[in-house]
Amino acid sequence: GENVEQHPSTLSVQEGDSAVIKCTYSDSASNYFPWYKQELGKRPQLIIDIRSNVGEKKDQRIAVTLNKTAKHFSLHITETQPEDSAVYFCAAMPQGDSWGKLQFGAGTQVVVTP
Amino acid sequence: DGGITQSPKYLFRKEGQNVTLSCEQNLNHDAMYWYRQDPGQGLRLIYYSQIVNDFQKGDIAEGYSVSREKKESFPLTVTSAQKNPTAFYLCASISRQGSTEAFFGQGTRLTVV
Repeated sequence: GENVEQHPSTLSVQEGDSAVIKCTYSDSASNYFPWYKQELGKRPQLIIDIRSNVGEKKDQRIAVTLNKTAKHFSLHITETQPEDSAVYFCAAMPQGDSWGKLQFGAGTQVVVTP
Repeated sequence: DGGITQSPKYLFRKEGQNVTLSCEQNLNHDAMYWYRQDPGQGLRLIYYSQIVNDFQKGDIAEGYSVSREKKESFPLTVTSAQKNPTAFYLCASISRQGSTEAFFGQGTRLTVV
């Protein structure tokens, strides 16, 4: 089955700097890779996702890159702001018979200091 | 609030008792999930269901049971066989058509006393 590993577990950045979180996956059948943000006491919410037919996707200050050959994908946050402080989760989901088995990484606690 | 509702928000259980957590969605989503969230361990998959009357074990299914008799509902029972049930439980759902975004409920915090 799918195994998603996420690094680092914690990340402290100065406001205005960039943050990068990296994930690897094991199942080559996975073709959907979302990123979720969970603020303290709230439910996780989707911030960006990418499918295996593209290598990069951007949405304002956030971007995700995917390297299918190496089975890793990364989240990039530029010009970080205090409101970016949260726990970020990567996930992977396969197609075919295992469609719907959405597996998450362990999460990265991001702290943005003013 | 995304159309997926978990209840109750807080739940206390005595050791040795079974307890059922409710999850209902009105999004017409096909797949539903239960995750357990512990500090530093992310979201661990307990069970998921792709269609009505079918469900699959996740990575930590021992001590839990589920049913999917209706598309809208996916209740989770935490049995007395679950050795460390105190945790935060999240339910989610996804549509097979169009967007694959997972919508989460607000969660249930279960405490064994």
